[in-house]
Amino acid sequence: GQNIDQPTEMTATEGAIVQINCTYQTSGFNGLFWYQQHAGEAPTFLSYNVLDGLEEKGRFSSFLSRSKGYSYLLLKELQMKDSASYLCAVRDLGGGYQKVTFGTGTKLQVIP
Amino acid sequence: DADVTQTPRNRITKTGKRIMLECSQTKGHDRMYWYRQDPGLGLRLIYYSFDVKDINKGEISDGYSVSRQAQAKFSLSLESAIPNQTALYFCATSDRETSATDTQYFGPGTRLTVL
Repeated sequence: GQNIDQPTEMTATEGAIVQINCTYQTSGFNGLFWYQQHAGEAPTFLSYNVLDGLEEKGRFSSFLSRSKGYSYLLLKELQMKDSASYLCAVRDLGGGYQKVTFGTGTKLQVIP
Repeated sequence: DADVTQTPRNRITKTGKRIMLECSQTKGHDRMYWYRQDPGLGLRLIYYSFDVKDINKGEISDGYSVSRQAQAKFSLSLESAIPNQTALYFCATSDRETSATDTQYFGPGTRLTVL
């Protein structure tokens, strides 16, 4: 099975930088996703990491360390619209097929 | 136009009623999924289908059934709804993995309330 941990809530200031951490335990790791979900809306894809290192995409970056079972999502130059939940999801090859398991999400509040 | 659509968007029903939630996609993806989302529990997989003839149970399939009527359509049924099935339900799609990420694309969600 999989165990995914991320903080429940975070607060950060507009214009600042925030790092949202995710740790996971899985037997057949095959990729990690970050999704953004505004309240009452559908999750939308932000990033994907399968190799160690940093993936940068505009104001958002995602980092992965497979040996540590650890990832983070870095949001720069925070804007009020970044207030949302951020879901970490891990893809696993257990059982011979691809399976994606979602964490419970980190609710980020951006304040002026 | 949305690539993944769900109907209805909101539904209130009574205990014991049969309910069907429908999902359609125009992305041409072969894989489709049904999730439910509850506060504090995150997204949990109910059923998934890798093609029309391949349907599999997820982690919380009890009390639910599905039908993959075509590549573009995947419906979720609650045969006899109960109050603890009150949740936000999402349909999602993804493409068969090649070197790609198998990223999932979500519909707008159906808010179901069972009284």
